Amino acid sequence: AIWMTQSPSLLSASTGDRVTISCRMSQGISSYLAWYQQKPGKAPELLIYAASTLQSGVPSRFSGSGSGTDFTLTISCLQSEDFATYYCQQYYSFPYTFGQGTKLEIK
Amino acid sequence: QVQLQESGPGLVKPSQTLSLTCTVSGGSISSGSYYWSWIRQPAGKGLEWIGRIYTSGSTNYNPSLKSRVTISVDTSKNQFSLKLSSVTAADTAVYYCASGYYYDSSGHQPYPYWGQGTLVTVSS
Repeated sequence: AIWMTQSPSLLSASTGDRVTISCRMSQGISSYLAWYQQKPGKAPELLIYAASTLQSGVPSRFSGSGSGTDFTLTISCLQSEDFATYYCQQYYSFPYTFGQGTKLEIK
Repeated sequence: QVQLQESGPGLVKPSQTLSLTCTVSGGSISSGSYYWSWIRQPAGKGLEWIGRIYTSGSTNYNPSLKSRVTISVDTSKNQFSLKLSSVTAADTAVYYCASGYYYDSSGHQPYPYWGQGTLVTVSS
């Protein structure tokens, strides 16, 4: 299985800040990486796929970059509704795996 | 817009079989390019991919669960199902059905569509 190291596990920030979350793979996955946002009691929502393609309906303040083993999710100008937990997911090979999650909290 | 809804018992006894069904609306489960999956999340923890099925019946499973998992599809009811045998307390989790379509020749896909999730507790 492909292992993923997502960091940080906890991120404190303020509305209007720019934040980045990192996801590192144990082996190369080309661009087969997705980012999800999950709020308490809700299912994850797809934000970005193919490492950098914004899912339809997702605000443009979300962006993704990277390929191979190192990937980044950036949220520019944080809004109140962005405080949630974020997961990366590789879909390059089976079993699909998810990062451990990053909880983005209000500072 | 594909919509998914999980259903099934919320309480299962240890050593028994967990059975869940996902009903698909807003589209046909027989549509090409879509895969139908199960993912679970223990309380306060991360997400674990269980497996997926294609409309043809072709499956892929997580090796960590493969000996206990069966995913099947019923095209006449527009549903797909999960069976997990010999459950223990470690299988207590919120179970999600999810789907996505492959956008290139790899046959792999992310998950734009999710059910709301259903909590399954394993306890006597």
